[in-house]
Amino acid sequence: DIVMTQSPDSLAVSLGERATINCKSSQNVLYSVNNKNYLAWYQQKPGQPPNLLIYWASTRESGVPDRFSGSGSGTDFTLTISSLQAEDVAVYYCQQYYNTPYSFGQGTKLEIK
Amino acid sequence: EVQLVESGGGLVQPGGSLRLSCVTSGFTFSSYWMHWVRQAPGKGLVWVSRINSDGSSTNYADSVKGRFSISRDNAKNTLFLQMNSLRAEDTAVYYCARAAAAVRGVINTALDYWGQGTLVTVSS
Repeated sequence: DIVMTQSPDSLAVSLGERATINCKSSQNVLYSVNNKNYLAWYQQKPGQPPNLLIYWASTRESGVPDRFSGSGSGTDFTLTISSLQAEDVAVYYCQQYYNTPYSFGQGTKLEIK
Repeated sequence: EVQLVESGGGLVQPGGSLRLSCVTSGFTFSSYWMHWVRQAPGKGLVWVSRINSDGSSTNYADSVKGRFSISRDNAKNTLFLQMNSLRAEDTAVYYCARAAAAVRGVINTALDYWGQGTLVTVSS
């Protein structure tokens, strides 16, 4: 099974500043046949279900603000929020969907400094 | 508008059973793979199971294999999770989620719509 590890576990960033969350997979999630990384990022606010932000490691879901971006390939990935807004306070999860069992990182709690 | 509404959660004793339902609308249910994901109180997300569009193929997490069964009724746009031999560690909010559309044969996709979840509590 693929293990997803996020860092840090929590993060405090000032409004308007950049936030960076890292995700590492225990196995390669890049499928060479189609050159796609099977990696997604989700945002979960308190009391709400997760919301898909990024898929294929770097494709922004429709309606997601462009301050959110994803990068990386193979086993190392990053979610970046370029200018933190108050409404971005949430827990962020990476997920691999390369194979079952699909697996999530442990989550990164993002707060305002 | 895509909607997924779970129901069937509640309090059950260890060893008991529950059947969760997820009624969907706003999309062609029979064309999409579907998943269940759970979240224990204050904890992270854990993938539970998935089913393909016609119900002929299923996958499970090791922690629920042999105890849980995923199924669907495409005529009623509804996804199910039959949970047997429940344990305290199965206590969680259970979310149903839709897998994004498969494109050009790529069947493993991210989960693009989620329900609000239903709480299952296993306790004596």
